[in-house]
Amino acid sequence: EAGVAQSPRYKIIEKRQSVAFWCNPISGHATLYWYQQILGQGPKLLIQFQNNGVVDDSQLPKDRFSAERLKGVDSTLKIQPAKLEDSAVYLCASSPDRQTYEQYFGPGTRLTVT
Amino acid sequence: AQSVTQLGSHVSVSEGALVLLRCNYSSSVPPYLFWYVQYPNQGLQLLLKYTTGATLVKGINGFEAEFKKSETSFHLTKPSAHMSDAAEYFCAVSRGAAGNKLTFGGGTRVLVKP
Repeated sequence: EAGVAQSPRYKIIEKRQSVAFWCNPISGHATLYWYQQILGQGPKLLIQFQNNGVVDDSQLPKDRFSAERLKGVDSTLKIQPAKLEDSAVYLCASSPDRQTYEQYFGPGTRLTVT
Repeated sequence: AQSVTQLGSHVSVSEGALVLLRCNYSSSVPPYLFWYVQYPNQGLQLLLKYTTGATLVKGINGFEAEFKKSETSFHLTKPSAHMSDAAEYFCAVSRGAAGNKLTFGGGTRVLVKP
C-alpha cells in the first residue's frame, strides 16, 4: 500500500512570495490533515478535511493560508504572501475516516522563507 | 481544551539502558493517547496508542506505555535502548468520540550512546 505522498520535499522562497504544497493521501482515506511543525516544536493542526469538506480550520491563518481538496482526494496548501515565521515543515496526514484514530503521515515539505 | 507536556526536550541514554520518556496530558474528556516517532527528514510513525481497555499498551520496536488516569500520564518505556532508537518522540492526545484532532507535545529527542 502506497503511503502519503507530498511534494516538493524542500522549498526556499523569499518573504512576500507565494508557495504551494501538494499532498496525495493513501487511497480510500476520507480524512486529510495539514500540520505545521516549527523547528523544535510538535506539529500543530492547520486544517482537517472530510472528503472535500472542511471539518476544522480554526488554527489556519486565513489571511495568508488557504487549502483545498476539490475532488476529495489530493489536496493543496498555499501560502500567499509568505512571512519569515512560516519557515517550518508542513506535514500531510490521512486516515480512513474521522473515527479511525490512527493518522498516517507523509514525509513533509520543509519550507525556508528568507 | 487539551494539552500535552513532555518533560525533557532531550534525553541521552546508553545502548542497552532503559529508555523512559515522560508525557503528561490534560483533557476535559476521557483521552485517547498516542506516541509517534520521527526519524530525521521523515514523517511521523505511530508507535502505539491507548483508546480504551488495557492500560498497558505495547507498540512496535519493543516500546510500551502505561495510561495512568490518576497521574494524567502516559509515559513511554523500552527496556533496552538500541542505536536505531535515536529519533524524536512525540506524545499526542485526542478527544476520542468528539473527533480525532491530535494535540501534540513539544517532543523529546533521544540520543543513544554506544
